[in-house]
Amino acid sequence: DTGVSQNPRHKITKRGQNVTFRCDPISEHNRLYWYRQTLGQGPEFLTYFQNEAQLEKSRLLSDRFSAERPKGSFSTLEIQRTEQGDSAMYLCASSQGQGARLDTEAFFGQGTRLTVV
Amino acid sequence: GESVGLHLPTLSVQEGDNSIINCAYSNSASDYFIWYKQESGKGPQFIIDIRSNMDKRQGQRVTVLLNKTVKHLSLQIAATQPGDSAVYFCAENLADYKLSFGAGTTVTVRA
Repeated sequence: DTGVSQNPRHKITKRGQNVTFRCDPISEHNRLYWYRQTLGQGPEFLTYFQNEAQLEKSRLLSDRFSAERPKGSFSTLEIQRTEQGDSAMYLCASSQGQGARLDTEAFFGQGTRLTVV
Repeated sequence: GESVGLHLPTLSVQEGDNSIINCAYSNSASDYFIWYKQESGKGPQFIIDIRSNMDKRQGQRVTVLLNKTVKHLSLQIAATQPGDSAVYFCAENLADYKLSFGAGTTVTVRA
């Protein structure tokens, strides 16, 4: 499978615990995005990387959230001290581009469904 | 086929009929639009895209129409099949790297 890969697919954690998700983008894509989707809603933008540089973070991304893309390939999203409101599907997408715009379509992974109990 | 003039959260369509899913976008400066299909428990799947210098684009069994005057986007699915049952989202590119998604339309195909 050469698409966007996310692990794990499902994560159940207790409130207060830390969790980390991984995203492997399509190999030739230099852009990587994280989105969050709650039940019945469309995905909401969280953050964006071009190569290893994190260029934008949404106000939705509180200081408990941190994302990295250390070598410009895979990315991790960590949530510290999880809260029940963090329960959602976390989606990763990737695309290829050089300009200041979304040049080509963004392809999404299958997502990581987080449940905080 | 069945059509929806305004955005509705659900659409029920008879197998074999044509479907039309509507979407109103928010920003007149948006110039790139994508339709995604999302099945239960899965991530959004790219269907078709269109740039603002076009008003129509066709793919396999799908057509996207763009009306910039009224900021309206539609997705037409020809000969709807059971496998087309899903939630459909339109997304607009807001002059940067982000996609802003609409509310989604749940399409149910009746056998």
